[in-house]
Amino acid sequence: AQSVTQLGSHVSVSEGALVLLRCNYSSSVPPYLFWYVQYPNQGLQLLLKYTSAATLVKGINGFEAEFKKSETSFHLTKPSAHMSDAAEYFCAVSGETSGSRLTFGEGTQLTVNP
Amino acid sequence: DTGVSQDPRHKITKRGQNVTFRCDPISEHNRLYWYRQTLGQGPEFLTYFQNEAQLEKSRLLSDRFSAERPKGSFSTLEIQRTEQGDSAMYLCASSLKAGVREQYFGPGTRLTVT
Repeated sequence: AQSVTQLGSHVSVSEGALVLLRCNYSSSVPPYLFWYVQYPNQGLQLLLKYTSAATLVKGINGFEAEFKKSETSFHLTKPSAHMSDAAEYFCAVSGETSGSRLTFGEGTQLTVNP
Repeated sequence: DTGVSQDPRHKITKRGQNVTFRCDPISEHNRLYWYRQTLGQGPEFLTYFQNEAQLEKSRLLSDRFSAERPKGSFSTLEIQRTEQGDSAMYLCASSLKAGVREQYFGPGTRLTVT
């Protein structure tokens, strides 16, 4: 069984500040990990993915995430927040035996203050 | 290259009525997934198809729900005898066959059952 825990349902940062969104996973098989972003009343957009090629993954819009097996974590970061980053962010996991279904965390709502 | 499309975007129905949603995946993608998302939660897996074969169904998919992908292209999700608890966003995603694993999501269909 796989699961994802996102620590902090709401994160608030100032424009220009570091963004850190936390994700811890549980998986009995080597995981594939993803971060998605969702704007109001829209579907999910893929930010980045980890598929075992490199532990530091760069995504779109300046986001990156680091896979740490020892900590079972895949935290999302961005050095400098922009107003347009305000959205809901979801961490998700899939594995070889799960038919590629994604198991999502409950999401983190990011607010960016001017 | 068009993305995943869903129709309708919004549906309001009365309890007890049947509703059907359509999803058109990215053209070369042979896997198609349905998820349900309730307010403040991450998406939850419902079912997926590889080509026209429905390979897995979640326990969330009660016998009032049925999904089809008759020619391995578009898919439909039908809910019979809708209940207020069915109110949610229904998301469709598609991907290439396992090995790539990232899923691309449509804009969703928001269902409101009154």
